Amino acid sequence: QAVVTQEPSLTVSPGGTVTLTCGSSTGAVTSGHFASWYQQKPGQAPRAVIYDTTNKHSWTPARFSGSLLGGKSALTLSGAQPEDEADYFCLLSYDTSRRVFGRGTKLTVL
Amino acid sequence: QVQLVESGGGVVQPGGSLILSCAASGFTFSTNNMHWVRQAPGTGLEWVAFIKYDGIKTYYADSVWGRFSLSRDNSRNTLYLQMNNLRHEDTAVYYCATDRNWGFDYWGQGVLVTVSS
Repeated sequence: QAVVTQEPSLTVSPGGTVTLTCGSSTGAVTSGHFASWYQQKPGQAPRAVIYDTTNKHSWTPARFSGSLLGGKSALTLSGAQPEDEADYFCLLSYDTSRRVFGRGTKLTVL
Repeated sequence: QVQLVESGGGVVQPGGSLILSCAASGFTFSTNNMHWVRQAPGTGLEWVAFIKYDGIKTYYADSVWGRFSLSRDNSRNTLYLQMNNLRHEDTAVYYCATDRNWGFDYWGQGVLVTVSS
C-alpha cells in the first residue's frame, strides 16, 4: 500500500505565503497521479480546493494554486486569510482502486 | 445547487450490516461517477468505493473489498452503500462525493456509523 506524506503542521502569517506538499512512497508524484486537495474545518465536511494537480474548482479562491514541485504535489496559498486556517488533505490516485489520502496538514494562520 | 444528503447511519454490532443512502439533487446524477469516502474519529480521510455513472463498474478499497457493495438507482437519484460483516475499524463518518478527474468535487455532510457491541 502506497503511503502519501504531508507536513503534519505549518504556520503562516496573515497575508503571507505557504506551500503544502504531498509526496508518495512509491516515487515522484507526476501528473498521472491526478493529485487533488481538500480543505476541512472542524466539524465540517471536506471541501475540494484543487483537482488534477493544478485546476481550481469554481469556488476556489484565486489565492490557492496547485503545482508539481520537486517530485511532489504542492498547494500554495498566497496571501493567507484567517479563514484559511484548516486541515488540508491531498489525494493521489494510483489506479481506479487505489486512491490514497495523506494524513493531512494542519495549517495555522497566525 | 448541488446537494448530497447521506442517511442510514447508526450503531451496529460487529458482524452486523447497514445500508447507507446518498440522495442527490441539483445536478444530473445519472451522468456522474460517485464515491464514498470515510473518516474515522479524529483521523484522516480514506477512500472507500467508486461507481461509474451507469452502475456497471464498481471499485473498492482493499479494506472493504468483499464486505461492502456499492450500487445506484439513477431513476431515484440515489447512491447506496451496503455494508456487511462490519468491524470496529469501520466506525467513521461516511461521505458521498461526486467524481471530478480522479478526485472529488461536491461532498455531502456525512453520516456516522458506529460499530460497537
